[in-house]
Amino acid sequence: NAGVMQNPRHLVRRRGQEARLRCSPMKGHSHVYWYRQLPEEGLKFMVYLQKENIIDESGMPKERFSAEFPKEGPSILRIQQVVRGDSAAYFCASSPGSDNYGYTFGSGTRLTVV
Amino acid sequence: GDSVTQMEGPVTLSEEAFLTINCTYTATGYPSLFWYVQYPGEGLQLLLKATKADDKGSNKGFEATYRKETTSFHLEKGSVQVSDSAVYFCALLPMKTSYDKVIFGPGTSLSVIP
Repeated sequence: NAGVMQNPRHLVRRRGQEARLRCSPMKGHSHVYWYRQLPEEGLKFMVYLQKENIIDESGMPKERFSAEFPKEGPSILRIQQVVRGDSAAYFCASSPGSDNYGYTFGSGTRLTVV
Repeated sequence: GDSVTQMEGPVTLSEEAFLTINCTYTATGYPSLFWYVQYPGEGLQLLLKATKADDKGSNKGFEATYRKETTSFHLEKGSVQVSDSAVYFCALLPMKTSYDKVIFGPGTSLSVIP
């Protein structure tokens, strides 16, 4: 039973380019969460999605960031026109639902903007 | 709002020393509490959890007890190993949520030296 799969593991983008981060949840999990970890900081919630629905995007920056979880395929976190401040580790987690068991995390995508 | 506070790191210990990482929380009612561990270059792994007051979570020699009266969930291990070097995150899941929106503390970095 594969865990949460994130790719790529490392992504380098020049300022102004677009970054696309992918997350495939664990089999049987229909809830996906994205978190951002800035250097020397903890994890900050960004967005929670179910299939074809954004449920809570209260942690997403208002501009340049978007997320989706289509009916088929992985969840995508998209960052347009990246800036140096976007450099961080982005983690995806999945859960089967609201069962108080916590998350299963992927290994993360480390985005570096040069 | 709900929040988690952890002792600041980094913490450096000699092998076989006793470990305590303090964690306190602010939340309404009875949240579920977690400790996650992040090894260098990896994602977060659930280490242990407790879902109600006085519960003790344990795993791999680590323990934490849910103390409602002190709103604490301190992590302990009797004898640390070099392989325990990692960042440890205390986290909570608020009660009565419609989905798993876990709130993380800032993390405490632990280095164990031989």
